[in-house]
Amino acid sequence: IVLTQSPGTLSLSPGERATLSCRASQSVASNYLAWYQQKPGQAPRLLIYGASNRATGIPDRFSGSGSGTDFTLTISGLEPEDFAMYYCQNYGYTPFTFGPGTKVDI
Amino acid sequence: QAQLVQSGAEVKKSGSSVKVSCKASGGTFRSHIINWVRQAPGQGLEWMGRIIPVFDTIHYAQNFQGRVTFTADKDTDTAYMEMTGLTSDDTAVYYCARHDVVATILAFDVWGQGTLVAVSS
Repeated sequence: IVLTQSPGTLSLSPGERATLSCRASQSVASNYLAWYQQKPGQAPRLLIYGASNRATGIPDRFSGSGSGTDFTLTISGLEPEDFAMYYCQNYGYTPFTFGPGTKVDI
Repeated sequence: QAQLVQSGAEVKKSGSSVKVSCKASGGTFRSHIINWVRQAPGQGLEWMGRIIPVFDTIHYAQNFQGRVTFTADKDTDTAYMEMTGLTSDDTAVYYCARHDVVATILAFDVWGQGTLVAVSS
């Protein structure tokens, strides 16, 4: 499954809402779609699993939605620490794949 | 608290091999799948494959088949990734990441800190 993320870069200000898109070339099995956040020099951090479930410790300003081939990550009210790279991932069947990422910057 | 701790950075010559370790703590190694993910400088994430220690099952991504070997030591809760025939294109940070073998919906919930492998000619 090939994942396409848009936009490539999202330039926003703190407090604004961010909407990130992830589109799959075919339906993601059982909606096994995850979102990760990565900051420079750090490992990725799981935000959302199963398309819409927040991982442990993730603030409720992060939400995921979608099914089949179209998925969205929404950050309602950007905090300074949210400016980072975001990747979606298909982990239904191997080979697992990642999208190319969306950079959220100021 | 569950952690994956990886071995330190490596500098290698083209044509040589590297072996990266990933030690699990604070959890049950046998109930998890260990995935390996590569990230070249300034690039995105690439899934290399996975090992399921409890089932002795291994899957390799096509791009790495034949050049990468995953192993796991269940006595020390340590997974290994060995790559042979290194080229400059293999210069990257290599991550291990945990995936629950039963609750597979949970995705890759714990990641190692990453191991930089730099390959020079």
